[in-house]
Amino acid sequence: KNEVEQSPQNLTAQEGEFITINCSYSVGISALHWLQQHPGGGIVSLFMLSSGKKKHGRLIATINIQEKHSSLHITASHPRDSAVYICAGAPKTSYDKVIFGPGTSLSVIP
Amino acid sequence: DTGVSQNPRHKITKRGQNVTFRCDPISEHNRLYWYRQTLGQGPEFLTYFQNEAQLEKSRLLSDRFSAERPKGSFSTLEIQRTEQGDSAMYLCASSFRRMVAGAGNEQFFGPGTRLTVL
Repeated sequence: KNEVEQSPQNLTAQEGEFITINCSYSVGISALHWLQQHPGGGIVSLFMLSSGKKKHGRLIATINIQEKHSSLHITASHPRDSAVYICAGAPKTSYDKVIFGPGTSLSVIP
Repeated sequence: DTGVSQNPRHKITKRGQNVTFRCDPISEHNRLYWYRQTLGQGPEFLTYFQNEAQLEKSRLLSDRFSAERPKGSFSTLEIQRTEQGDSAMYLCASSFRRMVAGAGNEQFFGPGTRLTVL
């Protein structure tokens, strides 16, 4: 069982839809990262959070420490949001050794 | 451009050859990380540096792999006697480690080097 899991694995949405990607983890973490990876490999950090909620533009990330669960929401989705979204946990015992989830591949259709 | 850069972006090599990748972190960042990502998977931690000191290495990093950060700035990752199983995307990231208990450590990623071993 992976220490960081994501669902769904693949997601196709119509432009304008509200999207939710889920992340659950089994290790104690000091922070959770949400990352975006476009075709070609480059990774962009979207959020780093350890509690509550953060918002940036159309993106919202939430975390529930007790339930060991985080969600990434995209409002008014757009084709340019098509990418792989990866959540990653920074373990409390060694928070530089980030543990990555397998990623959720999102495709937004016009 | 003040982001993390990696060179080369793509490398194709024959099995048994040695390859070296370079990572230039964001200039004021004191930590530098190497990850490996195979197709359809999330990245896996390989090793990281605090300035020039290599603090931790994953068991994934066999004896054929070596990483250096000689002056605490750029880093190189060398793979000797490459094998087909080494084919992957090699990602570098950097961060600024604040000496505050519980402080976060946001990592900034480079574009990666895609290695193909024939």
